Amino acid sequence: EAQVTQNPRYLITVTGKKLTVTCSQNMNHEYMSWYRQDPGLGLRQIYYSMNVEVTDKGDVPEGYKVSRKEKRNFPLILESPSPNQTSLYFCASSPGPSGGSQYFGPGTRLLVL
Amino acid sequence: EDQVTQSPEALRLQEGESSSLNCSYTVSGLRGLFWYRQDPGKGPEFLFTLYSAGEEKEKERLKATLTKKESFLHITAPKPEDSATYLCALLNAGGTSYGKLTFGQGTILTVHP
Repeated sequence: EAQVTQNPRYLITVTGKKLTVTCSQNMNHEYMSWYRQDPGLGLRQIYYSMNVEVTDKGDVPEGYKVSRKEKRNFPLILESPSPNQTSLYFCASSPGPSGGSQYFGPGTRLLVL
Repeated sequence: EDQVTQSPEALRLQEGESSSLNCSYTVSGLRGLFWYRQDPGKGPEFLFTLYSAGEEKEKERLKATLTKKESFLHITAPKPEDSATYLCALLNAGGTSYGKLTFGQGTILTVHP
């Protein structure tokens, strides 16, 4: 089954404790992206990648890191999480190199205490 | 800066009562406009891509249209299962943000039986 998977789905952590949210797609898509969704602010792009070893900032990259060492994986790293990073996070992938018709994962709900 | 504005924020319809959702945008150059549907607690689901003014796409009870400044999502004879949040998004034309996707805040559609 073609899908985008994220792990974990739910995470509670404390301020400053480094964490990684994994994202994997099995569709051989070139483009992958991370978003956060907050009430009243909508869906905002954090980082995106148009191919292996190619990443670029979205609208809200501060406090996040990403890497794209393999085509199928695009992990999101929070080096020192803070409470304002409490949010619902989505990973997405798209067949073309520039995004657009994206397939989204099920989401990761993160609470930073 | 690219801007996407969706209206109304929320729309309540009776089953069978047709209506339209609006997505207006300002962008230096449009490479694509996309419509997504999002159910509560789930990732957005891709619906349509529109590339140029005058283009139209249809799927079941939904029809998306595009002009130079806005897009409409027409819903004909909606059913309760059409209840969801509908999101539109723009793909940036180029420069240093070639793959950046900007989402609107969404319209929450509720269809009553």
